[in-house]
Amino acid sequence: RKEVEQDPGPFNVPEGATVAFNCTYSNSASQSFFWYRQDCRKEPKLLMSVYSSGNEDGRFTAQLNRASQYISLLIRDSKLSDSATYLCCSGNTPLVFGKGTRLSVIA
Amino acid sequence: EPEVTQTPSHQVTQMGQEVILRCVPISNHLYFYWYRQILGQKVEFLVSFYNNEISEKSEIFDDQFSVERPDGSNFTLKIRSTKLEDSAMYFCASSDRGARGETQYFGPGTRLLVL
Repeated sequence: RKEVEQDPGPFNVPEGATVAFNCTYSNSASQSFFWYRQDCRKEPKLLMSVYSSGNEDGRFTAQLNRASQYISLLIRDSKLSDSATYLCCSGNTPLVFGKGTRLSVIA
Repeated sequence: EPEVTQTPSHQVTQMGQEVILRCVPISNHLYFYWYRQILGQKVEFLVSFYNNEISEKSEIFDDQFSVERPDGSNFTLKIRSTKLEDSAMYFCASSDRGARGETQYFGPGTRLLVL
């Protein structure tokens, strides 16, 4: 069975903190991965794609470790608006999602 | 920016009734998907659709479910005889290629409540 596992959190961090989430996947054939952000009762919105060893976009850095089958998401200088649930997913069609990691950034 | 749209945003129905959830994928996309998310649970794949036929479906997508692309823009999910456990958020998604790793864009969802 193809599974994606995440620490559910919640992670409660102060503004400006750096926070990292990990995600493990079981399907060694997976070639690409995504981080989606999901606000309460809203749809998943694409945050980052991870196709090779990693990707960086502003304050967000995603890394992929194929040997250990995990993906990480690092958020630097966290802001109140980063509060959301972060969904890791394996990009094999169809997408296989983890349950998500909840982040609360506190003023 | 083009986006996936879904109607209705909310649907309340009685157990045993039929519901049709509607989606308008991004206009130049060719691959369409339905996912569901039960409250507090993970997003789960239901079905993928390409070239007017189902390309893949999960074990959740049993005989009570069907999908259709009735015209050039709409993509529908029908649940024939709803059960209490069908209560969930249903998301439509689309992508312009079905290749592994192609980004899928999600609609805002339809919240279905079966009483």
